[in-house]
Amino acid sequence: DTGVSQDPRHKITKRGQNVTFRCDPISEHNRLYWYRQTLGQGPEFLTYFQNEAQLEKSRLLSDRFSAERPKGSFSTLEIQRTEQGDSAMYLCASRISGEDDEQFFGPGTRLTVL
Amino acid sequence: TQLLEQSPQFLSIQEGENLTVYCNSSSVFSSLQWYRQEPGEGPVLLVTVVTGGEVKKLKRLTFQFGDARKDSSLHITAAQPGDTGLYLCASNDYKLSFGAGTTVTVRA
Repeated sequence: DTGVSQDPRHKITKRGQNVTFRCDPISEHNRLYWYRQTLGQGPEFLTYFQNEAQLEKSRLLSDRFSAERPKGSFSTLEIQRTEQGDSAMYLCASRISGEDDEQFFGPGTRLTVL
Repeated sequence: TQLLEQSPQFLSIQEGENLTVYCNSSSVFSSLQWYRQEPGEGPVLLVTVVTGGEVKKLKRLTFQFGDARKDSSLHITAAQPGDTGLYLCASNDYKLSFGAGTTVTVRA
């Protein structure tokens, strides 16, 4: 299967700990997106990359959040000093720039902060 | 920021019944997408609509885009348990802006 993959699928952590999630996009896709989804809501945009360049960050992305895509392939999202309000599903998506159709989503990482 | 409202929030129906869910925006859509999301998975694209008044069909699903491109509806005919899921509309730009979704449950 050559879809978007995310790791881990589930993460339980204690408040104040740091966590890091990984996303592997579809190989030929140069755009990579991170979204956050809380219960009862649709996904909310966090940030996106074109190749290795981070082009936009949402105001939702506080300074405790950092995302990287060092070689323009996989991406990581790190949350430092986690808070209970960070509990959510973190979704990654990828697409080919210049084509205005489909973003392909991964299965998400479910974060629970105790 | 474009605000998308979806209604109803929840819908539970018996297998074989029809259902319609709605998506409304505070401003004109450049284009609109409908997704379905199952528990523990990411959203999957169902359709993209671009032209005001456009109607698209996908098997038992019918998607309509309002003439003014500020609203859309999704109609499912003869719903089946496999149609159960969260239906999301999204404004399609270089990034997606989603509504809160409609949770549809089809009982066997």
